[in-house]
Amino acid sequence: AQKITQTQPGMFVQEKEAVTLDCTYDTSDPSYGLFWYKQPSSGEMIFLIYQGSYDQQNATEGRYSLNFQKARKSANLVISASQLGDSAMYFCAMRDLGYSSASKIIFGSGTRLSIRP
Amino acid sequence: DTAVSQTPKYLVTQMGNDKSIKCEQNLGHDTMYWYKQDSKKFLKIMFSYNNKELIINETVPNRFSPKSPDKAHLNLHINSLELGDSAVYFCASSQTPEIRLDQPQHFGDGTRLSIL
Repeated sequence: AQKITQTQPGMFVQEKEAVTLDCTYDTSDPSYGLFWYKQPSSGEMIFLIYQGSYDQQNATEGRYSLNFQKARKSANLVISASQLGDSAMYFCAMRDLGYSSASKIIFGSGTRLSIRP
Repeated sequence: DTAVSQTPKYLVTQMGNDKSIKCEQNLGHDTMYWYKQDSKKFLKIMFSYNNKELIINETVPNRFSPKSPDKAHLNLHINSLELGDSAVYFCASSQTPEIRLDQPQHFGDGTRLSIL
């Protein structure tokens, strides 16, 4: 069965420092995708970055990068040079092709990141 | 040019009432979803429709009935509202996952439902 685990309910980081948000996953499907979303206090869900199970390189999008370790089944989000506007909830999510059931995205429980000035 | 829009943004109502939340997407996506986010921020899928056909129904009470008149719309009707229904409900859309696994879901801004 699919499972996403985020073990850090909350984190505090000093502005301009880099931060790593942890995410581990479990699936029996060989084809899957991993997503990170940001949810600021205003409530909207913002897509940040994607990593496919067959991608050879770690995904990067601006200050966001994904540390993808397939053998460990981890997909940690790294935010470089954190900014005050990065304070938000961050969700890791996974979608597989759904060989055994309909494809769907499942979400982790989230990590609340707070950036200190 | 809102991509996924849902209305209303806030919904405050009495227990036992019936209410609907509407969702529309203009992205040309084939698949639409409803999620429930509880007070602990846990996000759980409720329903998924692909080209107006229900493909995911996740152990949601029968009081919740989605309706998709066309592939750009997915509405959620809730009968006999209960206190435990208080949550934020998100509509989302994406390309068909089996065709484009890498396509993210695009979310609406959410509907905050409060049951008195």
